Amino acid sequence: NAGVTQTPKFRVLKTGQSMTLLCAQDMNHEYMYWYRQDPGMGLRLIHYSVGEGTTAKGEVPDGYNVSRLKKQNFLLGLESAAPSQTSVYFCASSPDFDEQFFGPGTRLTVL
Amino acid sequence: GENVEQHPSTLSVQEGDSAVIKCTYSDSASNYFPWYKQELGKRPQLIIDIRSNVGEKKDQRIAVTLNKTAKHFSLHITETQPEDSAVYFCAASIGGGNMLTFGGGTRLMVKP
Repeated sequence: NAGVTQTPKFRVLKTGQSMTLLCAQDMNHEYMYWYRQDPGMGLRLIHYSVGEGTTAKGEVPDGYNVSRLKKQNFLLGLESAAPSQTSVYFCASSPDFDEQFFGPGTRLTVL
Repeated sequence: GENVEQHPSTLSVQEGDSAVIKCTYSDSASNYFPWYKQELGKRPQLIIDIRSNVGEKKDQRIAVTLNKTAKHFSLHITETQPEDSAVYFCAASIGGGNMLTFGGGTRLMVKP
């Protein structure tokens, strides 16, 4: 089992460009999450999904969109990147009310 | 919403000493409290968790205590080793659901 994987690992964008981050899990988990991690601020929840076809806003959703068309995939989109979105992005998945398993992260820099 | 405060932000100990990290939370409905360890450049990984129906849980050198009345929980690491050096995050569930709010992290440095 690969667990939780993320694509790409690194990306540099110019302000105003768009991109999509892909998260995939092979553990048949219902719940999936997107977090951003900034120095000294821990992990902050951007969006989450409680099952295929569902999405919901987390703590810091502005500037991001998500989709969960297949149970195993959770996509995070940036429509018009801003320097404030420079961060490390982690995807996670979990079964009901249990441990969240994290992916390896994507380091995004917006110039 | 839920607010989780974590202290200290940095902690330096000698190898073999104990380390204690404390967190407070605001939502009295929170019922799940995990602790994650994150090594430099790596993903967070669960090291121990506790649910609200338990006051203490131990796993070898690691223990977590929970005081629901005071809304705080703590991570205790005994006989620290250099490989314990990492950033540790506490988290609390938002109400009784699956979503978590994380503390700001504690950078633990174990000096050999």
